[in-house]
Amino acid sequence: DGGITQSPKYLFRKEGQNVTLSCEQNLNHDAMYWYRQDPGQGLRLIYYSQIVNDFQKGDIAEGYSVSREKKESFPLTVTSAQKNPTAFYLCASSPIAGGRDEQFFGPGTRLTVL
Amino acid sequence: LAKTTQPISMDSYEGQEVNITCSHNNIATNDYITWYQQFPSQGPRFIIQGYKTKVTNEVASLFIPADRKSSTLSLPRVSLSDTAVYYCLVGDMKGGSNYQLIWGAGTKLIIKP
Repeated sequence: DGGITQSPKYLFRKEGQNVTLSCEQNLNHDAMYWYRQDPGQGLRLIYYSQIVNDFQKGDIAEGYSVSREKKESFPLTVTSAQKNPTAFYLCASSPIAGGRDEQFFGPGTRLTVL
Repeated sequence: LAKTTQPISMDSYEGQEVNITCSHNNIATNDYITWYQQFPSQGPRFIIQGYKTKVTNEVASLFIPADRKSSTLSLPRVSLSDTAVYYCLVGDMKGGSNYQLIWGAGTKLIIKP
């Protein structure tokens, strides 16, 4: 089955620790995205990548970092510099970057900072 | 930069047609309009996309007037399983590697029996 997987589903972190969220896709899509969703709110773009070894900041990149060393993988690191990291994190991919292509979303990772 | 505005919530009854409107007054020439559905604790799922006029697929229709400053998602004969949050997304292509995706805050649709 083609799709996007995110792991883990739930993640707990102590304050001051970095944590990495995994995102893998086997859809052969060029573009990948990371979003943050807070309770009762819409999606906010953290980072996006149009192609391997390239990524761009979204609306709320501060306190986050990404890498795109492989086409199928786009991990997100939530650093200790992110002051309020508790949220639902969604990874998505699309054939090409931009608003014209359908984005396929993973099941999400719920991060809680203790 | 396009900004999207949609109602916070709506409710309707099974079997009715539901229309959800999104306002995007500053939509750019290259922007497409896309609607997604999201259930609790899941990722959004694509419903429909359009550029102008009317688009229809097996689950919904999308109406876009000539000025493209708004769009209306139409769900025919809704059922209880259509209870979800619906998001409007406007793709703002600024050219090349610099672009933004403008998501609405979502409309929580509740379908009653």
